[in-house]
Parts: sequence; C-alpha cells; structure tokens
Amino acid sequence: AQSVTQPDIHITVSEGASLELRCNYSYGATPYLFWYVQSPGQGLQLLLKYFSGDTLVQGIKGFEAEFKRSQSSFNLRKPSVHWSDAAEYFCAVAAFGNEKLTFGTGTRLTIIP
Amino acid sequence: GAGVSQTPSNKVTEKGKYVELRCDPISGHTALYWYRQSLGQGPEFLIYFQGTGAADDSGLPNDRFFAVRPEGSVSTLKIQRTERGDSAVYLCASSLGLAGGQGQQFFGPGTRLTVL
Repeated sequence: AQSVTQPDIHITVSEGASLELRCNYSYGATPYLFWYVQSPGQGLQLLLKYFSGDTLVQGIKGFEAEFKRSQSSFNLRKPSVHWSDAAEYFCAVAAFGNEKLTFGTGTRLTIIP
Repeated sequence: GAGVSQTPSNKVTEKGKYVELRCDPISGHTALYWYRQSLGQGPEFLIYFQGTGAADDSGLPNDRFFAVRPEGSVSTLKIQRTERGDSAVYLCASSLGLAGGQGQQFFGPGTRLTVL
C-alpha cells in the first residue's frame, strides 16, 4: 500500500522568501503525485500533479514540484511567497488504476511580514 | 459553474444518533469520493463511486458507515449509532473518472460533524 510522509508539521517563512515543502512517498511502482492546498473555510485545491514525463512540474500560483525517484520525493517549491500563501499543504499519492488518494498529514505554512 | 457542494456545513449530534451527510458533485462528473479528515490529519479515503456503484469501499471503518449514490449524481453518507470518535470533517470530491486514476478530484468545503 502507498503512503506519504510530510516531515514538517509547521513552517514559517518571511514574505518574499523562497519556500520548499518536503514530501516523501512509499509505493512500489511509479506513482501519481499531487500537492493540494487547504485554506481555512476552503475546500482542498489542486496545486499541481505528476503522472509521467518531465520530472519538474509547474502548477498554479507560481508553485512547482520536482519528482525524484531515487529519493522517493516530490518536494514543493516557490521562489517568493506571498502572504496569501499561508495555508495547509498536503502531498498525496495514488496508484495507477486506483482512484483513491493517500494524503500526508500536512504542513502548515505561516508567512511573516 | 458550481463546484462540489456539501450539506450541512456543520452537524452536531449526540452519541448514538443517526446522521446523513449530502454531497452534490460537479455536473457531469461520474466519479465521486468521500474522505474523512480528523483534526491535525490529512484526509483519509472512505469510499469511491463510479456512476451508481461503489467501486471501492475499502476505507469505510466499520458497518456503521454506509454511502449511496442512487442516480449517479448526489451521494449521501450515512452513519448509524454515531460515536465521539466519528467527529471529523467529511469531505466529498468528484472527478470525470478518467481511466487510470488521472481524473483531477475537485473537493467540496466539507461537513464538520461533532458527536457529543
């Protein structure tokens, strides 16, 4: 069965600074990988996804993520964060042909002025 | 177009009572999913429908939980004899149900269930 680990429960960064959120997955074959963002009172919104091909994927709101098979990682990055990026971020994995998403426990991002 | 909607947004009930949570998916989406999110945790898969049938119900924790989607659109998650441990946010998502799991899941805002 697949699993996801997000080692950072809470991260604080200054507005304008760069960001990297870590995600490690466990799955025997090539996984489908996702990053979602959850703001208070909002539903989960998909930032980006990786299915195959180019290992660097671009998403919405200026986010990108890189799939590294050798490290079983799919870290999320943004070169310059904005106050509106403060939210909870979830990494998720799905197996080919299996519709269910397995989520990590999330990383809460706080932005300071 | 409207997104996924869930009603009620909040539900408070007493231990032992029966509750129903409703999900209206995006029009035209054939796949529908239920997840449960406990405090401080990521969403946990409960059940997935393709059309009217439950294609995967492996995440339902026990037989107190049941879900239906009789006409392939609206779905209802039913919980019998509620327990305090059932308190969580119940999330619904829908997708076009593309083969191979590639359909993007669109999530609703959730129903916060509190069992006293």
